[in-house]
Amino acid sequence: AQKITQTQPGMFVQEKEAVTLDCTYDTSDPSYGLFWYKQPSSGEMIFLIYQGSYDQQNATEGRYSLNFQKARKSANLVISASQLGDSAMYFCAKAPPGRRALTFGSGTRLQVQP
Amino acid sequence: EAQVTQNPRYLITVTGKKLTVTCSQNMNHEYMSWYRQDPGLGLRQIYYSMNVEATDKGDVPEGYKVSRKEKRNFPLILESPSPNQTSLYFCASSSRTGPGGEYTEAFFGQGTRLTVV
Repeated sequence: AQKITQTQPGMFVQEKEAVTLDCTYDTSDPSYGLFWYKQPSSGEMIFLIYQGSYDQQNATEGRYSLNFQKARKSANLVISASQLGDSAMYFCAKAPPGRRALTFGSGTRLQVQP
Repeated sequence: EAQVTQNPRYLITVTGKKLTVTCSQNMNHEYMSWYRQDPGLGLRQIYYSMNVEATDKGDVPEGYKVSRKEKRNFPLILESPSPNQTSLYFCASSSRTGPGGEYTEAFFGQGTRLTVV
């Protein structure tokens, strides 16, 4: 079974600082995708960033970047210049090959402090 | 605007009273699915559909039904809800795939908070 591990149940960061949220995964798949989602207290799942396993460069989307280390099977999310509105749950997810469902990690709750 | 729309956002119902949560997407996606999210258990897939009239069970299908009569709609049906189906439900849709067939995008609805008393 696909397993996604987020080892940090909760994180604190000071406003304007950078923070890294960890994600590791099990896989023997030759091709796969990795997602990060943000879930604020209102409950919706907001897409942040996507990394394909074949992509040569690490993905970036504004203040979000993905530190993808394929050999170590890790896909850490880096949020630069944290804002109070970044306080939320963050989920890492993996898309296996063959049009199958995403598998999610257990999430990391990030709290940004003023 | 590309979106997945679920209704209702919030629902409180009583045990045994049939209910339907609707899901609609405007992106012409073939693949749609339903997840439930529970504390400590993360998101688990209930059912999915690869296209019209093609549905299949996910990891936790017991107590749920789905249908896919039109490409844009994928309702979730609880014929006889029970308290253990109290959860946050998400509908999702995807279409684009990478070299191995992995989905490269996944759009989620706003979520439906269901309470069964």
